[in-house]
Amino acid sequence: DAKTTQPPSMDCAEGRAANLPCNHSTISGNEYVYWYRQIHSQGPQYIIHGLKNNETNEMASLIITEDRKSSTLILPHATLRDTAVYYCIANPRSSNTGKLIFGQGTTLQVKP
Amino acid sequence: GAGVSQSPSNKVTEKGKDVELRCDPISGHTALYWYRQSLGQGLEFLIYFQGNSAPDKSGLPSDRFSAERTGGSVSTLTIQRTQQEDSAVYLCASSLAQDKITEAFFGQGTRLTVV
Repeated sequence: DAKTTQPPSMDCAEGRAANLPCNHSTISGNEYVYWYRQIHSQGPQYIIHGLKNNETNEMASLIITEDRKSSTLILPHATLRDTAVYYCIANPRSSNTGKLIFGQGTTLQVKP
Repeated sequence: GAGVSQSPSNKVTEKGKDVELRCDPISGHTALYWYRQSLGQGLEFLIYFQGNSAPDKSGLPSDRFSAERTGGSVSTLTIQRTQQEDSAVYLCASSLAQDKITEAFFGQGTRLTVV
């Protein structure tokens, strides 16, 4: 599985966009980029995933560079409840070969 | 239930005792994961079940750890002769995976404390 690199921590002002970067320079063609987050004392929560096209859902947007070596998760209007550890994972989509391996993630602190 | 259910939510055990942790995945989910998370640390992969395939046990830290999944549904993680370093939150997740991984849904975890 491709290794991902994320900054250990970031701050964001409430109401502003939070842009969380992830490097996955060794990602292979069959690997998707998944984002999860873990709010304190809770289990991780799926946010979004993508292959090469940008994706958007009710929680966030995912921007993947054309060479697929990096991506950015965007929370358009961060709230205090978005304070969490955000994990970027590169994983094959095939269930026979893939398993979700979490790195250290980025601790996002949303401040009032 | 609507989500992944784990029991017990908290477990305190004496060093050297065996413990069993239970996970009830979402109905119909064929993929099931176990992770553990020590205080202030990231998620450590333990084991992955996918349908009828042999489980991926590559994350189990020692032979004191084992897991089974009966009938493709409920899973039990067993830790024998518990040690203090086994203290952690043990998280279970399931996903609707046939030929592809979809999003995984996590339970709230079992907090294991070995004294």
